[in-house]
Amino acid sequence: AQKVTQAQTEISVVEKEDVTLDCVYETRDTTYYLFWYKQPPSGELVFLIRRNSFDEQNEISGRYSWNFQKSTSSFNFTITASQVVDSAVYFCALSAMDSSYKLIFGSGTRLLVRP
Amino acid sequence: DVKVTQSSRYLVKRTGEKVFLECVQDMDHENMFWYRQDPGLGLRLIYFSYDVKMKEKGDIPEGYSVSREKKERFSLILESASTNQTSMYLCASSKVGGSGVSLVTQYFGPGTRLTVL
Repeated sequence: AQKVTQAQTEISVVEKEDVTLDCVYETRDTTYYLFWYKQPPSGELVFLIRRNSFDEQNEISGRYSWNFQKSTSSFNFTITASQVVDSAVYFCALSAMDSSYKLIFGSGTRLLVRP
Repeated sequence: DVKVTQSSRYLVKRTGEKVFLECVQDMDHENMFWYRQDPGLGLRLIYFSYDVKMKEKGDIPEGYSVSREKKERFSLILESASTNQTSMYLCASSKVGGSGVSLVTQYFGPGTRLTVL
């Protein structure tokens, strides 16, 4: 069975703080993909990143960075020097053969960045 | 850039009405998906389509049907809307890569917030 857990329901930080959003996944597949999406108040899900299970290199994109650790089945997302525009709901998702490669979403973490 | 558009951002319908939600993508993607999003329940897959006239049930297909007559357009139909179908509906598309229905990234539309009174 595939599962994605985002234990943090809501996080509130002050602007310029760093914040890490946790994501833990479960799958028995050896080939799978992990994603992060951002959903701002407007409602649209915006794709942020995709990683495959064979690539454990961490990735940095501007103020965003992702830490993928197969040993702990985690794919955490860090925002450095947060800004008010980062306020959104963030979803972690998994796609694997066991689920016919459908996207399995976590329940999301609502991030509020206060000025 | 991939563009997925949905016909309405907000929609209000009456119980028992037939409702059509339209989704169009402009990137020649083979796969298209319909999700609903509810507080506390996350995103749940209703139906998906991997080719014209092809469709498969997702996790919660009851009360819904779909139509895909053209590659770029995927419609979600509520035959007789009910209040428990009040929700945010999100459409997505992706390109087929290698094997598997959704190997590559799904791109989402802006969503339709449907209220059934």
